[in-house]
Amino acid sequence: DTGVSQDPRHKITKRGQNVTFRCDPISEHNRLYWYRQTLGQGPEFLTYFQNEAQLEKSRLLSDRFSAERPKGSFSTLEIQRTEQGDSAMYLCASSLGAAGTNEKLFFGSGTQLSVL
Amino acid sequence: RKEVEQDPGPFNVPEGATVAFNCTYSNSASQSFFWYRQDCRKEPKLLMSVYSSGNEDGRFTAQLNRASQYISLLIRDSKLSDSATYLCVVNPLTSGTYKYIFGTGTRLKVLA
Repeated sequence: DTGVSQDPRHKITKRGQNVTFRCDPISEHNRLYWYRQTLGQGPEFLTYFQNEAQLEKSRLLSDRFSAERPKGSFSTLEIQRTEQGDSAMYLCASSLGAAGTNEKLFFGSGTQLSVL
Repeated sequence: RKEVEQDPGPFNVPEGATVAFNCTYSNSASQSFFWYRQDCRKEPKLLMSVYSSGNEDGRFTAQLNRASQYISLLIRDSKLSDSATYLCVVNPLTSGTYKYIFGTGTRLKVLA
């Protein structure tokens, strides 16, 4: 399978615990995005990387959230001290971005987080 | 005001009907526009990009109105398989970054 891969598919945790999600993008893609989606809403932008550089973070991404893409390939999203409001689907997308083009985002199947 | 706004629906239409969705965006400098489709409990997938002159892909037509800051999607001859949520996506291109903003989505249900 050469699509975007996310792990785990589901995560149940207790409030206050830390969780980490992993995303493996399509191999030649230079841009990687993290989104969060709750029921009845569209995906909400969290952050994105161009290669290993994190170029933008949403102000919605509190200091409990951190994302890395250390070698410009896979990425991790960590949530510290989880809260019930963090329960959502966390989607990763990748793209082959080039200036002046309409890039296509390819999404993974997401990680469904439930905070009890 | 939200950056990208859509009527959440649902739009319930009979098979064969024509249905249109609009989406408004707040940043007049936005450069890139898209429609994505999301099936229940699945990830979003690109349906089509929206070009300034409008574009068509089979039964689907997308239009951009920069003056009024909205984009539209027209689906002709609706099929049962068109039932899904349609997400409007805008790249505001602030500071040259590539941040794609999604609307809340419009639910479409095509009825037999």
